[in-house]
Amino acid sequence: RKEVEQDPGPFNVPEGATVAFNCTYSNSASQSFFWYRQDCRKEPKLLMSVYSSGNEDGRFTAQLNRASQYISLLIRDSKLSDSATYLCVVNSNSGYALNFGKGTSLLVTP
Amino acid sequence: DVKVTQSSRYLVKRTGEKVFLECVQDMDHENMFWYRQDPGLGLRLIYFSYDVKMKEKGDIPEGYSVSREKKERFSLILESASTNQTSMYLCASSPLTVYGYTFGSGTRLTVV
Repeated sequence: RKEVEQDPGPFNVPEGATVAFNCTYSNSASQSFFWYRQDCRKEPKLLMSVYSSGNEDGRFTAQLNRASQYISLLIRDSKLSDSATYLCVVNSNSGYALNFGKGTSLLVTP
Repeated sequence: DVKVTQSSRYLVKRTGEKVFLECVQDMDHENMFWYRQDPGLGLRLIYFSYDVKMKEKGDIPEGYSVSREKKERFSLILESASTNQTSMYLCASSPLTVYGYTFGSGTRLTVV
């Protein structure tokens, strides 16, 4: 089983739509969880950390389900500028390094 | 903001050459990392360092080595470049894993 698994998409949604991405991870001892955003031919950038109680940052909401080893990202009122690849990230067994999912591609259309 | 600077944006090297990729961070972070990113394979960890002169192998260390002589600088070395090392190389730094990483803008290496 891969460390971090995501649906690659692509997700094509109209502006204003709500879209949700899911991710599963294999290491039940993981403690750190993130969503990163990567634009085409650019480096990944931290979008938000994911906390056990769930957390929100503007139009973005992240949820963590430790029992199911499942992380989600909800984007409300999608903007054209949200078009990117979204990477689910979980800390590795070493504790220092992070394991990245292969990403979910989102295209928001007018 | 933390800045992670990679010395080259694009690099073309010949098979068999020794290649140095440099990464410098300006926020006194303990941890530094080298990943490569390939289509369909995602980001894969090559090496990381949690202190000066300390290094640990990641998932794909074969054909690579690293050097961390100063806290702010972490170098990736391709001992004898091969065409299968053509990739995007990303350096990152972090004070602690719980804060996530900051990435450099990447070096797109082509080995011909």
